[in-house]
Amino acid sequence: QSALTQPASVSGSPGQSITISCTGTSSDVGAYNYVSWYQQHPGKAPKLMIYDVSNRPSGVSNRFSGSKSGNTASLTISGLQAEDEAEYYCSSYTSSVSLMFGGGTKLTVL
Amino acid sequence: EVQLVESGGGLVQPGMSLRLSCAASGFTFDDYAMHWVRQAPGKGLEWVSGLSWNSGGTAYADSVKGRFTISRDNAKNSLYLQMNSLRVEDTALYYCVKDGECSRTNCYKGFDYWGQGTLVTVSA
Repeated sequence: QSALTQPASVSGSPGQSITISCTGTSSDVGAYNYVSWYQQHPGKAPKLMIYDVSNRPSGVSNRFSGSKSGNTASLTISGLQAEDEAEYYCSSYTSSVSLMFGGGTKLTVL
Repeated sequence: EVQLVESGGGLVQPGMSLRLSCAASGFTFDDYAMHWVRQAPGKGLEWVSGLSWNSGGTAYADSVKGRFTISRDNAKNSLYLQMNSLRVEDTALYYCVKDGECSRTNCYKGFDYWGQGTLVTVSA
């Protein structure tokens, strides 16, 4: 079980948009629409931002959006704000009836 | 208000056992699959294990299969993780998490609630 592949870091200025990719295989990201994204601030528990590839839980800003193409899922944050600076993790259901996380992406708001 | 409160963590030597507990409140516990997710110090998230609403379906990460056992007591609104043959690499903060909609382990709608975690340290 190898982790899903995410870039180690991304950055953007306030007001800009950024996209974080999450690459898996045809046995996980490519096979199911069970992809979720989490935001984690230092010292805090993760927070669910996106589920089922592109659905936002109640209370999550519509500046956060998700998509998928083939074996790669993406999280886009538009109108970057200082409070968006955090670690972001993708996760996916897999064909072996398990779950898998990506290695995490550190978002820096310049 | 949904609450997940973990307990049972601590410092143990390699090869020893530990049992984690998670007390759930604020939702109908037996409607949902529950999971354990861990995070080693300074590292990323790792899914550990999941259990369906009626304990009929279980799932484990390869890294813990055969050593860890997940269970639940719906009458007590509690989730457990029995950890045997602990290794140094099991050192992590262990989170109890609730699936957003699913009652089974062959479904995943994201983890909408997380506890604050209980720290397990395995060291000689």
